[in-house]
Amino acid sequence: AQTVTQSQPEMSVQEAETVTLSCTYDTSENNYYLFWYKQPPSRQMILVIRQEAYKQQNATENRFSVNFQKAAKSFSLKISDSQLGDTAMYFCAFMVNNAGNMLTFGGGTRLMVKP
Amino acid sequence: EADIYQTPRYLVIGTGKKITLECSQTMGHDKMYWYQQDPGMELHLIHYSYGVNSTEKGDLSSESTVSRIRTEHFPLTLESARPSHTSQYLCASTGPTDEQYFGPGTRLTVT
Repeated sequence: AQTVTQSQPEMSVQEAETVTLSCTYDTSENNYYLFWYKQPPSRQMILVIRQEAYKQQNATENRFSVNFQKAAKSFSLKISDSQLGDTAMYFCAFMVNNAGNMLTFGGGTRLMVKP
Repeated sequence: EADIYQTPRYLVIGTGKKITLECSQTMGHDKMYWYQQDPGMELHLIHYSYGVNSTEKGDLSSESTVSRIRTEHFPLTLESARPSHTSQYLCASTGPTDEQYFGPGTRLTVT
C-alpha cells in the first residue's frame, strides 16, 4: 500500500514571495506518477502539476515547479511569485501506473497568500 | 474547468431518507471515481468504475452503492442516510492522459 504525507497543515506567504510545500510518500513500486492538486475554497479541484517517476527532470508549469527526489521519496511544490488566487488547499497525490489510475492523497496543506 | 458535473451541490436531508448523488461527464472517460472528503481533510476513495457495468469498492468502507449503466453517468446512492454520512462527496474521471478531472462536489448534511 502507498502512503502520502504532507507535514504542513497550514502555511502562509506574502504576495509575490516564494513558498514551498512538502510532500513525502512511501511505496515499493517503481513506476508511478505524482501530482499536486489545488482545491480553492468552494471550487473545483484542479491539477497543478504532475511528475512521472521515471523522469529525472523536475516538472515545471509556469510559476509552479517541483523538487522530485526519488531516492528520498520526496516531492515538494514550489510556488514562485505567489498570487492571491493561489490561496487554496493543496493536495499531494500518488498513482501507481496500472489500469486503475487510483490516487492516494496526502492530508493537504492549507495555503494562505496574504496581500 | 473540466466537463464533469455533480448535482445537487448542497443537500440537507433528514435521517433515514434515501438519496442519490448525481455525477456525469461529457468527456467519454471510461474510469470514474467517488471520493469522500471531510472539511479540510484528505480525500478517501469509496467507489470506482472502469467502465459500463463495472463497479468496485474503494479503500474507505462506505454504506453507499453506485451504478454505471452509461459511460457518462456514475450515480451514488445512500439507501438510508445517517448523520455519519455528513461529508463532501467528490466525483472524478480519468482520460487517456491519466489526469483525474474532478467535479465541484456535493456537500451533504444529514440531520
